[in-house]
Amino acid sequence: AQSVTQLDSQVPVFEEAPVELRCNYSSSVSVYLFWYVQYPNQGLQLLLKYLSGSTLVESINGFEAEFNKSQTSFHLRKPSVHISDTAEYFCAAYSGNTPLVFGKGTRLSVIA
Amino acid sequence: EAGVVQSPRYKIIEKKQPVAFWCNPISGHNTLYWYLQNLGQGPELLIRYENEEAVDDSQLPKDRFSAERLKGVDSTLKIQPAELGDSAVYLCASSIGTSGTGELFFGEGSRLTVL
Repeated sequence: AQSVTQLDSQVPVFEEAPVELRCNYSSSVSVYLFWYVQYPNQGLQLLLKYLSGSTLVESINGFEAEFNKSQTSFHLRKPSVHISDTAEYFCAAYSGNTPLVFGKGTRLSVIA
Repeated sequence: EAGVVQSPRYKIIEKKQPVAFWCNPISGHNTLYWYLQNLGQGPELLIRYENEEAVDDSQLPKDRFSAERLKGVDSTLKIQPAELGDSAVYLCASSIGTSGTGELFFGEGSRLTVL
């Protein structure tokens, strides 16, 4: 069965600094990968996804993630964070007929 | 376009009492999901509907939890009786089609506190 590991439960970072949120998945068989973001008091919303093709995918607000099959990773990165990026970020994976599986989440706190 | 609507946003009950949560998905979305989110954890699927049919309810504790989506639109999740360990956020999501590669649209969740 698919599993998703987010190694960091909390990541504090200063404004305008780079950030990487780590995600590893267990099964590489036809895996599709997602990052969802949950801003305070809001529902989860899709940030970006990898289905096929280019291994580097980008979001509209400057985040990017790279699918690395050999390392079974899908880390999320941003070169310069803003206060408004403060949120909880969830990595998720889907493969075959199993339901979408989420990691435990990483709370990103951007410090002014 | 309205998003996924859930109610109530917050509910506080005493243990052994019943509770129900309601979800109205985005219009045209035939797949509806109920997820459980415990504190410090990611969402875990409870049940998935394709139209009015429950196609995946393997993680739903059927001794006390029940769900329905009678007309293939809105859905209700019920717990009876509630236990202390049921305190969590109950998330509803919907998507177009049944492919797992599609985007899920989430509601704001219903936070349950059982005393």
